[in-house]
Amino acid sequence: ETGVTQSPTHLIKTRGQQVTLRCSSQSGHNTVSWYQQALGQGPQFIFQYYREEENGRGNFPPRFSGLQFPNYSSELNVNALELDDSALYLCASSLTVNTGELFFGEGSRLTVL
Amino acid sequence: ELKVEQNPLFLSMQEGKNYTIYCNYSTTSDRLYWYRQDPGKSLESLFVLLSNGAVKQEGRLMASLDTKARLSTLHITAAVHDLSATYFCAVDGGETSGSRLTFGEGTQLTVNP
Repeated sequence: ETGVTQSPTHLIKTRGQQVTLRCSSQSGHNTVSWYQQALGQGPQFIFQYYREEENGRGNFPPRFSGLQFPNYSSELNVNALELDDSALYLCASSLTVNTGELFFGEGSRLTVL
Repeated sequence: ELKVEQNPLFLSMQEGKNYTIYCNYSTTSDRLYWYRQDPGKSLESLFVLLSNGAVKQEGRLMASLDTKARLSTLHITAAVHDLSATYFCAVDGGETSGSRLTFGEGTQLTVNP
């Protein structure tokens, strides 16, 4: 069984740039969620995708956007990067939209200078 | 808005001792999860608690859920150094939330020889 994989693992950007993070969900899982974890904090829900549509969004501005593809993989895009966007971005997949239990990838650590 | 509070936030204990981490949450929910995170790593699922009175044990860790009190506990028995990590509880807001988890701030556990 293939787990959740994310890329890239680390990246550095400057303020104002744009970034795309990628995630492949666990085999058989059709729901993907994205979380932002700032240093020393718990993960914060960004949004969830189910059947290629956004299915719930946390308190994040529109410059955070996403996609889910027919193979259930997903992208997180962040435009106009700010220093506070520096964080670990975690992708999690679940069997389906209401099963609850999430399986997390290793994360993408973004540093904005 | 669902709020999840953990205490203590920092815990330093000696090997062989017992201790309990508490997780309080602010709204009715029947689904609570405990995760472990090692420094620089992703979240590892420890326990899934899906009903009032649920108790689960794995090795030196035991988790319980009291949905009426909106409280979960993670009990550590005879701690060993390998348990040093940050522990998060997370609450599922229910079926309408679509598996959206709200995390506590985490408890950073250090087990000293």
